[in-house]
Amino acid sequence: DVKVTQSSRYLVKRTGEKVFLECVQDMDHENMFWYRQDPGLGLRLIYFSYDVKMKEKGDIPEGYSVSREKKERFSLILESASTNQTSMYLCASSFQYTEAFFGQGTRLTVV
Amino acid sequence: EDKVVQSPLSLVVHEGDTVTLNCSYEVTNFRSLLWYKQEKKAPTFLFMLTSSGIEKKSGRLSSILDKKELFSILNITATQTGDSAVYLCAVEKRSNYQLIWGAGTKLIIKP
Repeated sequence: DVKVTQSSRYLVKRTGEKVFLECVQDMDHENMFWYRQDPGLGLRLIYFSYDVKMKEKGDIPEGYSVSREKKERFSLILESASTNQTSMYLCASSFQYTEAFFGQGTRLTVV
Repeated sequence: EDKVVQSPLSLVVHEGDTVTLNCSYEVTNFRSLLWYKQEKKAPTFLFMLTSSGIEKKSGRLSSILDKKELFSILNITATQTGDSAVYLCAVEKRSNYQLIWGAGTKLIIKP
């Protein structure tokens, strides 16, 4: 069974804090993704990685950075959290040419 | 629950290759299926498909819809680096014109 695990289901952080969201997959997938999902806006890609240490900006990378030091782990970092980053964050992974598997999501609230 | 699933989630190919992107859907009150290309800015419209089996073509891009099997494909022949983008599929509902978005396919064309 493919498993994509996000470190937290719910997170509450203060404005200005540095926030780390972790994602681990156990299927040796090359590709990993971070999305945020907001009502009415659908899924929006933040960053994408197709190999270790490789990253590509998505639609909305501003205010975020990522790290992929190991194939199975893809971290999303909010350098200085702001209230407009309150959202549902979804991690996904896939092989090339196949469907993606999503984690359970992290609902982040920045107060 | 309505859903639109795109595959693959990402694709890395060389210039000159032909690629096929997939979009399957389970949406009540289907009205049309739309393909968009999204680079750095807002998505740009590519095709709208409402009838099965009729290919829409624009230059090197073409698309077709199968309403029986509930999917669409987008083909790009002789790819160029300028084709690098996220390709989004969305289904429009007849009842309220709502768009249900797929997660997108991130296409990277290497020179």
